[in-house]
Amino acid sequence: AQSVTQPDIHITVSEGASLELRCNYSYGATPYLFWYVQSPGQGLQLLLKYFSGDTLVQGIKGFEAEFKRSQSSFNLRKPSVHWSDAAEYFCAVGPYGQNFVFGPGTRLSVLP
Amino acid sequence: DTGVSQNPRHKITKRGQNVTFRCDPISEHNRLYWYRQTLGQGPEFLTYFQNEAQLEKSRLLSDRFSAERPKGSFSTLEIQRTEQGDSAMYLCASSLTSGWKETQYFGPGTRLLVL
Repeated sequence: AQSVTQPDIHITVSEGASLELRCNYSYGATPYLFWYVQSPGQGLQLLLKYFSGDTLVQGIKGFEAEFKRSQSSFNLRKPSVHWSDAAEYFCAVGPYGQNFVFGPGTRLSVLP
Repeated sequence: DTGVSQNPRHKITKRGQNVTFRCDPISEHNRLYWYRQTLGQGPEFLTYFQNEAQLEKSRLLSDRFSAERPKGSFSTLEIQRTEQGDSAMYLCASSLTSGWKETQYFGPGTRLLVL
């Protein structure tokens, strides 16, 4: 069965600093990978997704992620964090149904 | 193109009562999903529909839970005889299938508190 781990439960960065959120997955076939963001009390917003092709994918709000098959990773990055980026970030692996699994999330705090 | 909507946004109920939540997917999306999310955790799959057919149910979905999507549009999730352990955020998502490449779009969720 597939699984997703996000090793960092909570990360704090200063505004303007760079960010990298880690995601490792276990999946027997070609993975479909996603990053979602959730603000407090809200639903999930899709940041970006990877199906195939270029392993560096661009998303909304200046985020990008890189798929590394050899490391079973799909880390999320942003060069300069804004205070509004403070939220919970979830990595997920597809394809769908019971085979669509979320990680436990990483909470991002941003210092002024 | 409106997003996924869910009603109510918040529900407080007493243990033993029945509750029903509604989800309206993005129009023309043929798949609809229900997830449960407890504090500090990622969403957990409950069930999904393709059009009006319920194709999968998680073992998390006890007999007290039932979901319907009668006309392949909106869906309802009912919890009978609620228990305090049912307190959670219930999330709905919809997608338009295209082979195996599918992207789910989420609603704002319904937060349930069972007293």
